[in-house]
Amino acid sequence: EAEVAQSPRYKITEKSQAVAFWCDPISGHATLYWYRQILGQGPELLVQFQDESVVDDSQLPKDRFSAERLKGVDSTLKIQPAELGDSAMYLCASSSSYNEQFFGPGTRLTVL
Amino acid sequence: GESVGLHLPTLSVQEGDNSIINCAYSNSASDYFIWYKQESGKGPQFIIDIRSNMDKRQGQRVTVLLNKTVKHLSLQIAATQPGDSAVYFCAEAYSGAGSYQLTFGKGTKLSVIP
Repeated sequence: EAEVAQSPRYKITEKSQAVAFWCDPISGHATLYWYRQILGQGPELLVQFQDESVVDDSQLPKDRFSAERLKGVDSTLKIQPAELGDSAMYLCASSSSYNEQFFGPGTRLTVL
Repeated sequence: GESVGLHLPTLSVQEGDNSIINCAYSNSASDYFIWYKQESGKGPQFIIDIRSNMDKRQGQRVTVLLNKTVKHLSLQIAATQPGDSAVYFCAEAYSGAGSYQLTFGKGTKLSVIP
């Protein structure tokens, strides 16, 4: 069964350092999403890609966060510099057209 | 594993009983609704969905009810099993550019007592 892959699964970093997360969506899924989930809350959308183009990054803190999907397949989310409040689960999801979103296992980020 | 259920409403049910998890949504323009199950340390997993032109949909052991008048969604799990223990999120969706955008509710932690 096809799955969304994410790495690393866990990341511990010190504040002011740079971190990067990687996502490989299900093959053929044109839409890719990055979410942030703070402990005890539901996921919140950070950025949505349609192929290689960003279609919504209104909730992405652009002073420190960046996301790219250069070839319209896998994607990288970067934080520089990381802050204590960035500690959360970062989830990637993908979908094909107007269908359900499939989520990856997430990357648990801890900023010390 | 790490729990995502801290500070969440909790529902405790006896194994074999039925569970009902409720959710209020906010956008009357939402046209698609989904229930997700999230186990500790994992990403959300799709359970069942319903379009806004329906008021009930059944799956295997699960039923979703939609009341658009009061903007309320519920998930019913029949014969709840220990493996059903998880955090459950409802999500409302609206049509974006080429796909749906989801807004998640607050989540409910379901604990099944063996």
